[in-house]
Amino acid sequence: AQSVSQHNHHVILSEAASLELGCNYSYGGTVNLFWYVQYPGQHLQLLLKYFSGDPLVKGIKGFEAEFIKSKFSFNLRKPSVQWSDTAEYFCAVNAVDTGFQKLVFGTGTRLLVSP
Amino acid sequence: DAGVTQSPTHLIKTRGQQVTLRCSPKSGHDTVSWYQQALGQGPQFIFQYYEEEERQRGNFPDRFSGHQYPNYSSELNVNALLLGDSALYLCASSFGRYQETQYFGPGTRLLVL
Repeated sequence: AQSVSQHNHHVILSEAASLELGCNYSYGGTVNLFWYVQYPGQHLQLLLKYFSGDPLVKGIKGFEAEFIKSKFSFNLRKPSVQWSDTAEYFCAVNAVDTGFQKLVFGTGTRLLVSP
Repeated sequence: DAGVTQSPTHLIKTRGQQVTLRCSPKSGHDTVSWYQQALGQGPQFIFQYYEEEERQRGNFPDRFSGHQYPNYSSELNVNALLLGDSALYLCASSFGRYQETQYFGPGTRLLVL
């Protein structure tokens, strides 16, 4: 069975600081990987996704993530955070070779950016 | 272009009651998945519907059931509610039966007293 670990449960940063949120998954087969974000009072929105190809994917609002297959990781990065990035971030994995679309989520990381 | 919509937004029920939650997928999408998000946790997969059939099911008891209509809208039914069923219930839609990006609705927050 697949599982996802997000090791940082709470992160506090000042504006303009760099961000890296860790995500590790456990599944030996082919995966699709996602980062979703939930801003306060809003619904889950897709930040970025990796299906295949270039392991460095760019998403909305200046976020990017790198898929490192050997480390089973898909860490999220942003070079300079803004106050508006305050949100909860979820990493999710889909096992491609099951033929199904089930997403397995991590427990999320709450990011607080202070102005 | 309407996104995923869910109703109601909030619901309060008592133990033992039954509840029905509704979801309309994003325009052009034909696959609906349901997730339960308990407080402080990530969403957990309940089941997925495609072509009006349940395609895949997560680790949830039979008290959780669903339905998909010909217009692709979907319902989630929970019978014999328990206190532990209190959560945010999320609907996600996508296109086709294979791996595609899922787009989430705002959710229905259920409180069981």
